[in-house]
Amino acid sequence: DTAVSQTPKYLVTQMGNDKSIKCEQNLGHDTMYWYKQDSKKFLKIMFSYNNKELIINETVPNRFSPKSPDKAHLNLHINSLELGDSAVYFCASSQAAGGPGPQHFGDGTRLSIL
Amino acid sequence: GENVEQHPSTLSVQEGDSAVIKCTYSDSASNYFPWYKQELGKRPQLIIDIRSNVGEKKDQRIAVTLNKTAKHFSLHITETQPEDSAVYFCAASRGNYGQNFVFGPGTRLSVLP
Repeated sequence: DTAVSQTPKYLVTQMGNDKSIKCEQNLGHDTMYWYKQDSKKFLKIMFSYNNKELIINETVPNRFSPKSPDKAHLNLHINSLELGDSAVYFCASSQAAGGPGPQHFGDGTRLSIL
Repeated sequence: GENVEQHPSTLSVQEGDSAVIKCTYSDSASNYFPWYKQELGKRPQLIIDIRSNVGEKKDQRIAVTLNKTAKHFSLHITETQPEDSAVYFCAASRGNYGQNFVFGPGTRLSVLP
């Protein structure tokens, strides 16, 4: 069983469209994250949710809107896609109680904007 | 905020040799330092981590050392094998919820047979 699963794996779409990426974790973790990895492989945190509450919202355009219906799910909706949004988006989860700990990553969603 | 630097950006070693990757961080309150390995087209996977109350940790061929005074930590891989070839990321964190969880820019390690 995949611990952190995200769908779709690949997303190819036109500029200006709206798309969503879904993420689910079955590790019982209370915190989930979205990361963006650009073409230079830099990994940058976008959002962090703890028990459905938004904790971190880095400097991300408000075209990106995360939603956490419960602590096992964190989805990412992107409006009006731009060329610069092309990247790999990783979902991750961790157990926050007791201090910072290892984050478990999903397999990533490769988003390509035409 | 936290800033993590990582060196070298690329590293080539002969199979069987050792590899060392170094990271420095800026926030003295950071207390958790993981290392991730990312193979081409795959997700980052934790290979070892260390907390600020420990100076060294070892797991088979992999070890991490931490110098809190100098604010740097290093990954050591001994007896390298071709399957160790990947991009390695260090990170530093002090928050429970990912606050100040900052990754270094990565080191591309190539192990030559």
